[in-house]
Amino acid sequence: ETGVTQSPTHLIKTRGQQVTLRCSSQSGHNTVSWYQQALGQGPQFIFQYYREEENGRGNFPPRFSGLQFPNYSSELNVNALELDDSALYLCASTRGAGLYNEQFFGPGTRLTVL
Amino acid sequence: DAKTTQPNSMESNEEEPVHLPCNHSTISGTDYIHWYRQLPSQGPEYVIHGLTSNVNNRMASLAIAEDRKSSTLILHRATLRDAAVYYCIRTDSGNTPLVFGKGTRLSVIA
Repeated sequence: ETGVTQSPTHLIKTRGQQVTLRCSSQSGHNTVSWYQQALGQGPQFIFQYYREEENGRGNFPPRFSGLQFPNYSSELNVNALELDDSALYLCASTRGAGLYNEQFFGPGTRLTVL
Repeated sequence: DAKTTQPNSMESNEEEPVHLPCNHSTISGTDYIHWYRQLPSQGPEYVIHGLTSNVNNRMASLAIAEDRKSSTLILHRATLRDAAVYYCIRTDSGNTPLVFGKGTRLSVIA
């Protein structure tokens, strides 16, 4: 069983640029959630995709957007990058959209905005 | 709002049991308690979850108080590999996501 993978591992961007982060979900999982983790903090929920539709969103502005593809992989897009967007971005996959299913996290993408 | 309270840090000796407390005094009847941990330079990983009864799995045990206002994650024999940040998460009934607090940083001393 292949685990959750994310790319790239690290990324450096400048303020105002746009970035796309990618996530491949674990085999058999149709739900992907994205989280932002600032240094020293717990992960904060950005949004969730279930069967290619957004299925919940946290307190993040519209410049954070996402996609889920038919193979259930997913992208997180962030426009007009700000310095505070520097963080570890985590994706997690699970089978179904229920709360009680174990979420499997990827290793994350470390984004630095200069 | 994480809706749970945990100590910032704890320390344990290797091969001794560790009891990680979590307070969730405003929990409602259908809320689950989940524990995840995050090892250094990794994403969080699921540890255990429960509703009312105590739960055991290969990684840990979860003891939930009778009034459900607190719970304890028990690692029966801590190893150096158990050094991580442990998150206690309460999930509401309905479609709400995992809400992480700052967790408890566990240090294991050889």
